[in-house]
Amino acid sequence: QVQLQESGPGLVKPSETLSLICTVSGGSLNNYFWSWLRQPAGKGLEWIGRIHSDGGTNVNPSFESRISLSVDTSNNHFSLKLISVTAADTAVYYCARDGMKGEATLMDFWGQGNFVTVSS
Amino acid sequence: DVEMTQSPLSLPVTLGQPASISCRSSQDLVYLDGDTYLHWFHQRPGQSPRRLIYKVSNRDSGVPDRFSGSGSGTDFTLKISRVEAEDVGVYYCLQGTHWPRTFGQGTKLEIK
Repeated sequence: QVQLQESGPGLVKPSETLSLICTVSGGSLNNYFWSWLRQPAGKGLEWIGRIHSDGGTNVNPSFESRISLSVDTSNNHFSLKLISVTAADTAVYYCARDGMKGEATLMDFWGQGNFVTVSS
Repeated sequence: DVEMTQSPLSLPVTLGQPASISCRSSQDLVYLDGDTYLHWFHQRPGQSPRRLIYKVSNRDSGVPDRFSGSGSGTDFTLKISRVEAEDVGVYYCLQGTHWPRTFGQGTKLEIK
């Protein structure tokens, strides 16, 4: 059973960079796309972007100018950086296994979530 | 962006009774491979979403057979044949066909 675990700071100051890592266990990163999503408290889910094990990415245009995605297959993790954060970026951030090339998004396995507050 | 519209947004149900949630998309969700990437998720308070149904009508492993999905094109439905206490929470549909991926607003199921 594939398991994902987000890690990163719970508090980030406005205008700074939010950095999260998602570590995958019980399976390999290889040959899959891996997504980041977020959910503000009491609200719905928003897809941020995804990265393939070969480094290829797809990003939500809402985040395009602010995000950086990376993958480290040797350590079985992938990462999200979101720059110039504001209070509007306060949310639970999730990582999820997205799907394979040749198929569209499936989002079958999710992490437990990492709550990030943006505040000074 | 493809808009995903769920109804109702609030669903009070008596234990043992059926429940139905609608999800309508602003564009057809058939992908290049001919499959329709419309999925359903259940989220309990304080937990991450769990996928129940993938590609319209396929139940995930361990999902009770009281859950079923149907639909095509732009119109989809999640049905629970007999609601149990563990079914409370919020249900979301997700379209995985078009960019960017988008979710419905969520339907909160509660027990009357």
